[in-house]
Amino acid sequence: DAKTTQPNSMESNEEEPVHLPCNHSTISGTDYIHWYRQLPSQGPEYVIHGLTSNVNNRMASLAIAEDRKSSTLILHRATLRDAAVYYCILRRLIQGAQKLVFGQGTRLTINP
Amino acid sequence: EAGVAQSPRYKIIEKRQSVAFWCNPISGHATLYWYQQILGQGPKLLIQFQNNGVVDDSQLPKDRFSAERLKGVDSTLKIQPAKLEDSAVYLCASSPRGFGGTYEQYFGPGTRLTVT
Repeated sequence: DAKTTQPNSMESNEEEPVHLPCNHSTISGTDYIHWYRQLPSQGPEYVIHGLTSNVNNRMASLAIAEDRKSSTLILHRATLRDAAVYYCILRRLIQGAQKLVFGQGTRLTINP
Repeated sequence: EAGVAQSPRYKIIEKRQSVAFWCNPISGHATLYWYQQILGQGPKLLIQFQNNGVVDDSQLPKDRFSAERLKGVDSTLKIQPAKLEDSAVYLCASSPRGFGGTYEQYFGPGTRLTVT
């Protein structure tokens, strides 16, 4: 399974930007980079995904390195509600079926 | 749009007992997933259905776990007999399709199982 490497934990302050890094040196050409987050006592929720180009949505931005071996999830203005575990995942197709393999993720703490 | 529904939310059983979890995916979603999340770890895929057929069950401990998705809608996951190491949160997720592209997975709130 495709492996990603993330810091175990990060801390930031409310209303400041947060940059969550992810390394995926074994990424293949067809792997999409997905980010999910899991708030306490909830199931994971989708944040954003991309293939080669940087992506923006209402929740976050995803910056993908030119060689695709790393990416960064950017929360532009963190709120207390953004405190969660963030998972960087390589989506693979196994016999055509989409498969996500979750790692340990990064636990993000937001200070008021 | 209603989300993925799961029940029960919590369950406590003794080892060697059996237990069943129920999942109702988002209407129209063809693909359904069951994950196991042990405390402090990320979710691990147990089984993936495309409509009512199994796509991937490579990580399902088939000697004690079973799952079905009748009529391609609701699904049940059963454990019989339960072991202490089965204590975890069992998450159900669904997506519009599971093949040929990349799609969001929508997760339910999970069922927290404690085996004593």
